[in-house]
Amino acid sequence: DSGVTQTPKHLITATGQRVTLRCSPRSGDLSVYWYQQSLDQGLQFLIQYYNGEERAKGNILERFSAQQFPDLHSELNLSSLELGDSALYFCASSAGQGGRNQPQHFGDGTRLSIL
Amino acid sequence: TQLLEQSPQFLSIQEGENLTVYCNSSSVFSSLQWYRQEPGEGPVLLVTVVTGGEVKKLKRLTFQFGDARKDSSLHITAAQTGDTGLYLCAGGGTSYGKLTFGQGTILTVHP
Repeated sequence: DSGVTQTPKHLITATGQRVTLRCSPRSGDLSVYWYQQSLDQGLQFLIQYYNGEERAKGNILERFSAQQFPDLHSELNLSSLELGDSALYFCASSAGQGGRNQPQHFGDGTRLSIL
Repeated sequence: TQLLEQSPQFLSIQEGENLTVYCNSSSVFSSLQWYRQEPGEGPVLLVTVVTGGEVKKLKRLTFQFGDARKDSSLHITAAQTGDTGLYLCAGGGTSYGKLTFGQGTILTVHP
């Protein structure tokens, strides 16, 4: 158990809809990272938040947004969903702002299926 | 854009055999991490290497970071069925905690 909690585990919805994925980091961790894992693209970094502020951005689509709340949990919002958004979405957390000696601990992911 | 090429993509071996997985890039990374992922679960960190030429051993697993910090390898000695899983390398850059992942190696160890 990594200590990172993601809900829901599975989400099935239709094209055009909007969903919210939730992540609670390990106790004491201030950074939250979001990744997308698909068969063709592998694991892709989306965005990092540190103590409520955005720290780094990857190839995150404009239809996707995230935020980190004062209690440090984070939400990833996906809107105008397309079939290609079907993937596993992982959240990870680390103690500090990230860097060479700060391991990232991953949750078990949310599997999003778009019908 | 930093890219990590991981090879081989698939590896199917018998218990007791040795194997090596490679991770290569044209970019320099500040660190290289290796993860193992099982179905239905998130990646679990195995090791982090940060110094060029560094070698770390974890029981039957040996990890090496290239001198130029552009490549890494994972060697497993006497593979066991419990080693079966997806192995991922990930490079850490200068942008805070952003990790660039390789495509992964699916290892299957047969009894």
